[in-house]
Amino acid sequence: DGGITQSPKYLFRKEGQNVTLSCEQNLNHDAMYWYRQDPGQGLRLIYYSQIVNDFQKGDIAEGYSVSREKKESFPLTVTSAQKNPTAFYLCASVPSGTPYNEQFFGPGTRLTVL
Amino acid sequence: KNEVEQSPQNLTAQEGEFITINCSYSVGISALHWLQQHPGGGIVSLFMLSSGKKKHGRLIATINIQEKHSSLHITASHPRDSAVYICAAQGAQKLVFGQGTRLTINP
Repeated sequence: DGGITQSPKYLFRKEGQNVTLSCEQNLNHDAMYWYRQDPGQGLRLIYYSQIVNDFQKGDIAEGYSVSREKKESFPLTVTSAQKNPTAFYLCASVPSGTPYNEQFFGPGTRLTVL
Repeated sequence: KNEVEQSPQNLTAQEGEFITINCSYSVGISALHWLQQHPGGGIVSLFMLSSGKKKHGRLIATINIQEKHSSLHITASHPRDSAVYICAAQGAQKLVFGQGTRLTINP
C-alpha cells in the first residue's frame, strides 16, 4: 500500500540531545514538508523540499535541520538549539503534476524532551 | 490577527444535528483545504476547492472567493465525526493553517 510513514510514533529525549525524526513515502511524490503542531495552534511549516537535494526554510526553521538525499525520504533533526522542541511533528508530501497541491500527511511523531 | 481564522474553536452537538464550521482568510489563495485530524493525530485531507461547492457523502464544503470565506457542513452528524477540523489556505508554495475546530458529537 502507498503512503507516508513516520517513526517512531512517540519519542522521548533528554534536553540537549539531538534527535532525528523519520519520514518515508512510497507515493513517488516530489515535494515533502515538515510541520510542527502545538496545542491550540495551527500547524506551522518548519522545512520543505520540492526536489531531491534541495530544501527551503519554512516559518520556524531555527533549531531544525533536514536532508533530502532520496526522493522517498525527508528526515528532520531537532537540534539542541531548538528552545522548545516538545511538540507533535507531521510530515506531508505532495504529488507532482497536480494543479492544486493536495497534501498527504503521515501519522505524526510526538516528541517529548525531558 | 491570524491569516486564517476558524470558528467556532470548539463545538459540541447531538447526533443527527447539522454542523457548520467556518473559515475566513486574509491571504490570496489558489485553493482552500479542509482537513480532519483524529485523536491519534493523523490528518486526512477532506476537500480541496478553489470555487463553488464540493460534496462527499455527508460532508459539504463551500467557498466564496470574493468574501474570502469557506464553510464545512456535516449533515446527519454521527459520533464518529468527532475530530478536529482544520482549514488551510493554499499560497504560492505552502499552506497557512487555521487553529482548528474541535467537534464533539454526542450519541
